[in-house]
Amino acid sequence: EVLLLESGGGLVQPGGSLRLSCAASRFIFSNYAMSWVRQAPGKGLEWVSASSGSGGDTYYADSVKGRFTISRDNSKNTLYLQMNSLGAEDTALYYCAKGVGYYYKSGGSTFDIWGQGTMVTVSS
Amino acid sequence: QSALTQPASVSGSPGQSITISCTGTSSDVGGYNFVSWYQQHPGKAPKLMIFEGIERPSGVSNRFSGSKSGNTASLTISGLQAEDEADYYCCSYAGGSTLFGGGTKLTVL
Repeated sequence: EVLLLESGGGLVQPGGSLRLSCAASRFIFSNYAMSWVRQAPGKGLEWVSASSGSGGDTYYADSVKGRFTISRDNSKNTLYLQMNSLGAEDTALYYCAKGVGYYYKSGGSTFDIWGQGTMVTVSS
Repeated sequence: QSALTQPASVSGSPGQSITISCTGTSSDVGGYNFVSWYQQHPGKAPKLMIFEGIERPSGVSNRFSGSKSGNTASLTISGLQAEDEADYYCCSYAGGSTLFGGGTKLTVL
């Protein structure tokens, strides 16, 4: 069974930083685009960022552009999300999601596997 | 990057059929074939139910079907069952970003 396991969430003060990780297993990680999707408490899903299979192409929602950085280490089968200048609006459960294609623009925005999420709370 | 528009709630009795609409623009739903639908039960991760507008992943019941016309995609669930009660989200590629709908809460009466 394909698995995604997120970690790195927690409580952080406004203006702080956090780095999320997503460990993938049981599929060829480098063959697929990967995304981060978040869900604020009681709210809907919001796409945050995506990376092509190689990591050479990255994409961001306007709400996080310039503050968040997505990256991946294909040798470690791990996806990352570096989050800086965090605000209360970033409080959410952050999911790692696997795309069905290598390129984000061709199947990478269809998510067939999701992790269980890691909670990020921004509060003083 | 505005969210796609879905009804906040729909309901139906067991055995009936319901349809959830998802309205976007020519820059997202209408412009690409990458429309997907997700089911989310409380406290659980989303589950892919429909992709590329009309395709069903293996293991998903054939009671679930998708369609698209212009800028509007739809999810139809036939033969409603109690376990179908959940939140449903549509999703579309939008040329360098991904948009989700606001979500629709399905209640099985």
